[in-house]
Amino acid sequence: DTGVSQDPRHKITKRGQNVTFRCDPISEHNRLYWYRQTLGQGPEFLTYFQNEAQLEKSRLLSDRFSAERPKGSFSTLEIQRTEQGDSAMYLCASSRQTTNEKLFFGSGTQLSVL
Amino acid sequence: AQKITQTQPGMFVQEKEAVTLDCTYDTSDQSYGLFWYKQPSSGEMIFLIYQGSYDEQNATEGRYSLNFQKARKSANLVISASQLGDSAMYFCAMREEYGNKLVFGAGTILRVKS
Repeated sequence: DTGVSQDPRHKITKRGQNVTFRCDPISEHNRLYWYRQTLGQGPEFLTYFQNEAQLEKSRLLSDRFSAERPKGSFSTLEIQRTEQGDSAMYLCASSRQTTNEKLFFGSGTQLSVL
Repeated sequence: AQKITQTQPGMFVQEKEAVTLDCTYDTSDQSYGLFWYKQPSSGEMIFLIYQGSYDEQNATEGRYSLNFQKARKSANLVISASQLGDSAMYFCAMREEYGNKLVFGAGTILRVKS
């Protein structure tokens, strides 16, 4: 396994700008997850894909957030019109489609909105 | 209601001693899975151990064991022979029977003293 990779590792942006993050899951994993983590807290679920289908979205995911996984491989998470409250670590994870399969996480993208 | 509760914000342990990190959970499902992850300062979430609700034996993985008490809805992580490298944030998480995502607790920060 080459692991889950996320790009970029860090992103600094000004309020109101759009940002896009990329996640490349482990190649044989058909499930992909996005989580958000703020300092001192546990990861909060944002959204989940099975292959290219987005099957679940959290209420945390406002209209300014959109995620895609066009060919069932890599995924992108876009935040439009960023706000200071969007500052967080954005974690991507992937897993196989078996019962209670563990999630493999990437190193995350740290977003700072100034 | 909180699905996962980790009541210890921070813990100290002497090197080579054992430590228990507490986790209680709330679910009405009969089938569920419980996970522990470690997050060092580098940020990546590392899977440690898994316990299924129907597993009769407590899970063990090397120096990690899970003290599963189903009636009390607790799934405490026991780390034996602590090492300096065990200093990190530890998260308990649960996947419910028909859930696709992991729900995480707020975490416990562990510091191992030499």
